[in-house]
Amino acid sequence: AQTVTQSQPEMSVQEAETVTLSCTYDTSENNYYLFWYKQPPSRQMILVIRQEAYKQQNATENRFSVNFQKAAKSFSLKISDSQLGDTAMYFCAFMTSDSGNTPLVFGKGTRLSVIA
Amino acid sequence: DGGITQSPKYLFRKEGQNVTLSCEQNLNHDAMYWYRQDPGQGLRLIYYSQIVNDFQKGDIAEGYSVSREKKESFPLTVTSAQKNPTAFYLCASLKGGQGGNEQFFGPGTRLTVL
Repeated sequence: AQTVTQSQPEMSVQEAETVTLSCTYDTSENNYYLFWYKQPPSRQMILVIRQEAYKQQNATENRFSVNFQKAAKSFSLKISDSQLGDTAMYFCAFMTSDSGNTPLVFGKGTRLSVIA
Repeated sequence: DGGITQSPKYLFRKEGQNVTLSCEQNLNHDAMYWYRQDPGQGLRLIYYSQIVNDFQKGDIAEGYSVSREKKESFPLTVTSAQKNPTAFYLCASLKGGQGGNEQFFGPGTRLTVL
């Protein structure tokens, strides 16, 4: 069974600074997808960024980027130029890619606070 | 607009009662999922369905039931057998196959047992 571990329950960062959220996972699969979801106070889950395991290049989406280390089974999220609107719970998630319909396996989340 | 809707937003239940949470999507997605969210626990899978008239148990299915009679709808019933049902419930859907691997989430239902 796959597991996802987020070792930082809470973090804080000053506005405009950079912060990195950690995520490690355990799987015997070779092909899979990794995701970071954001859950703001509204509790709506929003996809931040995704990474296909077969791609060596790290994914980037504007101020969000990942450091994907497949051998180490590590998938950290870097948020640059942090904004107050980035305050949220962040969940790392894993999905096998056998059929594309398998459920997500989530970590327990990291609560990020951006301080003005 | 296409999306996923969940109703009601807040639901109160007396002990011993069954309640049904609604989840509807107009995205033409094949797969649908129910997750439960508790503080400090992340999201845990209750049930999922990859196709109409078929569904599978997730990690915490005990005390819950589902049906998938239509592609658009995946209601979740919380039965009296669920001993600790107070939680936030999230429904999601996914196109699958060549259609992509992103799960889209509804706004959630907060269930409280009185």
